[in-house]
Amino acid sequence: SQQGEEDPQALSIQEGENATMNCSYKTSINNLQWYRQNSGRGLVHLILIRSNEREKHSGRLRVTLDTSKKSSSLLITASRAADTASYFCATDAYDYKLSFGAGTTVTVRA
Amino acid sequence: GAVVSQHPSRVICKSGTSVKIECRSLDFQATTMFWYRQFPKKSLMLMATSNEGSKATYEQGVEKDKFLINHASLTLSTLTVTSAHPEDSSFYICSARDPLAGEGSTDTQYFGPGTRLTVL
Repeated sequence: SQQGEEDPQALSIQEGENATMNCSYKTSINNLQWYRQNSGRGLVHLILIRSNEREKHSGRLRVTLDTSKKSSSLLITASRAADTASYFCATDAYDYKLSFGAGTTVTVRA
Repeated sequence: GAVVSQHPSRVICKSGTSVKIECRSLDFQATTMFWYRQFPKKSLMLMATSNEGSKATYEQGVEKDKFLINHASLTLSTLTVTSAHPEDSSFYICSARDPLAGEGSTDTQYFGPGTRLTVL
């Protein structure tokens, strides 16, 4: 079942600006993952943060996790046109399954 | 990193026919594979968990007789959409879990590129 909600639904920014999107979930989790999906394509795994971690970085990506608020954020710094895609959070609730959020569509304008 | 392939990438069929979609883990053995369905501009919804050597586990609301899953080997799972109808048109994505690649549950899960099914 789908438990994540993401906001905003859509985001349009200028190249070079930062993009921030948020994800909320409902149940206890083992970890939370962020994925990118280009239009009509498969998913690319971006970053995983475990329930005992608060922040994680990978290149231009920064993810935070607040388990008390059941929320996570993904920050993309210095955005590029190639970052235009849909971004999904997915939670793993200890049962080997991923529950995906609704997604945020990011458009980076050149 | 590990690679998961899907075949075909795109299929168009007539209403009433059955369509088989393959999901392969190319360089690792996947004891567990997952099948998702995605409607346009929507999120992925888990349909079923495919376990090698045993019956698939379906999520609530997914018709097991409609969506047949077979995980015949450690590198191949198939999803057959039986007697397809236009409402079955969707993007189907599989993922595979590499049990040897990391600790925890779904830590290491690799997604296929998806199959676009259009039923006329």
